[in-house]
Amino acid sequence: AQKVTQAQTEISVVEKEDVTLDCVYETRDTTYYLFWYKQPPSGELVFLIRRNSFDEQNEISGRYSWNFQKSTSSFNFTITASQVVDSAVYFCALKGISGYSTLTFGKGTMLLVSP
Amino acid sequence: GAGVSQSPSNKVTEKGKDVELRCDPISGHTALYWYRQSLGQGLEFLIYFQGNSAPDKSGLPSDRFSAERTGGSVSTLTIQRTQQEDSAVYLCASSRMGGSAGVPNEQFFGPGTRLTVL
Repeated sequence: AQKVTQAQTEISVVEKEDVTLDCVYETRDTTYYLFWYKQPPSGELVFLIRRNSFDEQNEISGRYSWNFQKSTSSFNFTITASQVVDSAVYFCALKGISGYSTLTFGKGTMLLVSP
Repeated sequence: GAGVSQSPSNKVTEKGKDVELRCDPISGHTALYWYRQSLGQGLEFLIYFQGNSAPDKSGLPSDRFSAERTGGSVSTLTIQRTQQEDSAVYLCASSRMGGSAGVPNEQFFGPGTRLTVL
């Protein structure tokens, strides 16, 4: 069975603060893929990143960075110098190599960035 | 190019009525997914189509839910005898065939259909 836990339901920050969104996963597969999606108020999910379980290098893309820690089954997402446009619901998702054919999503973290 | 489109964007229906939700995937995408997003919940997988293979229906919550994909393109999700608990946003996504066995490609999501059952 696969499971993704995003313990933070809602986070509120002030613009320019750094913020980290937590994601913890469970899977029996030794090969798996982790994703982050952003869902702005418009509703359409936007793909942010995909990582495979063999690549534990942290990744940085502009103000976004991801910290993959296999030892703790976590794939956390940090936004540096947050902006109002970052306000959205962020979903972490998992797909194992076997069995289930699609992604298992966490319940999402709503990020509110105020000016 | 055009993204995933869904229609209608909003649907209000009465309990007990049937509804049909439509999804037009990105041209050339062989995989198509339906998800349900209830208020305050994550995305719940419903059904998955991949090419000409039999669909994975493991996520459908009851036999009132069904989906088909005609000609490997457009898909219709049908909910019969709707109940109030069916109220949710129904999201469709599509993706290309994986380049390597088992590697999941990025899923592109449509804007969703907000279903309200009174």
